Amino acid sequence: DIQMTQSPASLSASLEEIVTITCQASQDIGNWLAWYQQKPGKSPQLLIHSATSLADGIPSRFSGSRSGTQYSLKISRLQVEDTGIYYCLQRYSNPWTFGGGTKLELK
Amino acid sequence: EVKLLESGGGLVQPGGSMRLSCAASGFTFTDFYMNWIRQPAGKAPEWLGFIRNKANGYTTEYNPSVKGRFTISRDNTQNMLYLQMNTLRAEDTATYYCARVGIGAYWGQGTLVTVSS
Repeated sequence: DIQMTQSPASLSASLEEIVTITCQASQDIGNWLAWYQQKPGKSPQLLIHSATSLADGIPSRFSGSRSGTQYSLKISRLQVEDTGIYYCLQRYSNPWTFGGGTKLELK
Repeated sequence: EVKLLESGGGLVQPGGSMRLSCAASGFTFTDFYMNWIRQPAGKAPEWLGFIRNKANGYTTEYNPSVKGRFTISRDNTQNMLYLQMNTLRAEDTATYYCARVGIGAYWGQGTLVTVSS
């Protein structure tokens, strides 16, 4: 199975701060990487697909990037509504696997 | 508007079976692969498997962790997705989501399955 190592596990940041979350894939997954945000009691919502493409309706302060097998989600100016848990997901090979999650809180 | 509504969860004894349903609306159901994903409380989601779209013959793929115990099917006349779960174990306790994944991804609100005696 492809392992997705996500870091950090938790993060506390201030309003308007730049936040970066990373996922390291255990092998090449190309651009088969998505980022999701999950609010308490809700289902995950797609933020980024294909490693770098912004999903419909998602604010432009969210962006995704790739360097080899390391993938990053950047929030350029943190807003109150950005708190929650973030997950990466690889769909390159069966079984599709999620990162362990990053809990983002406001400082 | 895309809607996915799961149902059928509840309490089941270890070794028992359960069938989950997912009613889809707001999109052309036969165009999409449909997935089941579960999430134990406080943990990351786990992908269970998918059933392909019409163009790809409605074939299935499963996570090896559930292959042989879980079966995904669809009724394209009713826009319904199903997950048949057999020989359930305590570790199958989770919220189960049906989902479109990829571009235009959308998840339902989930249904809770509790496996306990």
